[in-house]
Amino acid sequence: KQEVTQIPAALSVPEGENLVLNCSFTDSAIYNLQWFRQDPGKGLTSLLLIQSSQREQTSGRLNASLDKSSGRSTLYIAASQPGDSATYLCALSDLQGAQKLVFGQGTRLTINP
Amino acid sequence: GAVVSQHPSRVICKSGTSVKIECRSLDFQATTMFWYRQFPKQSLMLMATSNEGSKATYEQGVEKDKFLINHASLTLSTLTVTSAHPEDSSFYICSAPTRRTNTEAFFGQGTRLTVV
Repeated sequence: KQEVTQIPAALSVPEGENLVLNCSFTDSAIYNLQWFRQDPGKGLTSLLLIQSSQREQTSGRLNASLDKSSGRSTLYIAASQPGDSATYLCALSDLQGAQKLVFGQGTRLTINP
Repeated sequence: GAVVSQHPSRVICKSGTSVKIECRSLDFQATTMFWYRQFPKQSLMLMATSNEGSKATYEQGVEKDKFLINHASLTLSTLTVTSAHPEDSSFYICSAPTRRTNTEAFFGQGTRLTVV
C-alpha cells in the first residue's frame, strides 16, 4: 500500500527566502505526482503535475522534481512571499487509478513579512 | 483549467439528519468523480469513486449505506451523508478528471460539514 510522507509538517521562514518542501513515497510504481496548495478552509489548487516519465516541472517561482528510484519529490519555492503561506500537499496516483490520489499529510508553510 | 464546482461550501446540520453535497463538472463531462474526506490537521483520504450510470466503489472502512453516492449524469455527482453524527463532521471534497489534460486532477472547493 502506498504511503506518502511530507517533511516538515510545518515551516516558518522570512519573506524572500528560497525553500524546499519534501515528499517521500514507498512505492515507485506511480502514474504521476501532483503538488497542491490548500488555503485554510478552502479546496485544493493544483500547482504542478509531474508525469512518471518526467524529472521536473516548473511554473513561475515553483519547481518540482521527481526521483522515482529514491521515492522522493521536492517542491522548490524561490523568493518566497507572504502570499505563499498555505498548506502544501503532494499526492500520487498509481498505475491503475490515474486519478485516484494518495495524499501526504501536508506541510504548513508560513512566510513572515 | 477545468472547473469543478461543489455546493454547499459550508453546512451545519442536526444529528440524525441527512445532508446532500453536490459536485459538478462545469465545462467537461466526467464519467468518474472521486470523493475525499479530510479530518482536522489530517490529510485527504479517498472515500469512494463515483461512476456515472453504475454503483460507486467505496474504499475499505467507508460505510456505503451511510455515504450514499449518486452519479446520475456526466456532470453531476452527489454525496449524501445519512443520519449524520458529530463524528461525521469533516471537510468533504470532490475531484474529477478531464481527458483534455495529462490526468491532472481538479478539485471542487470543498464542503465543511458540522453536525451538532
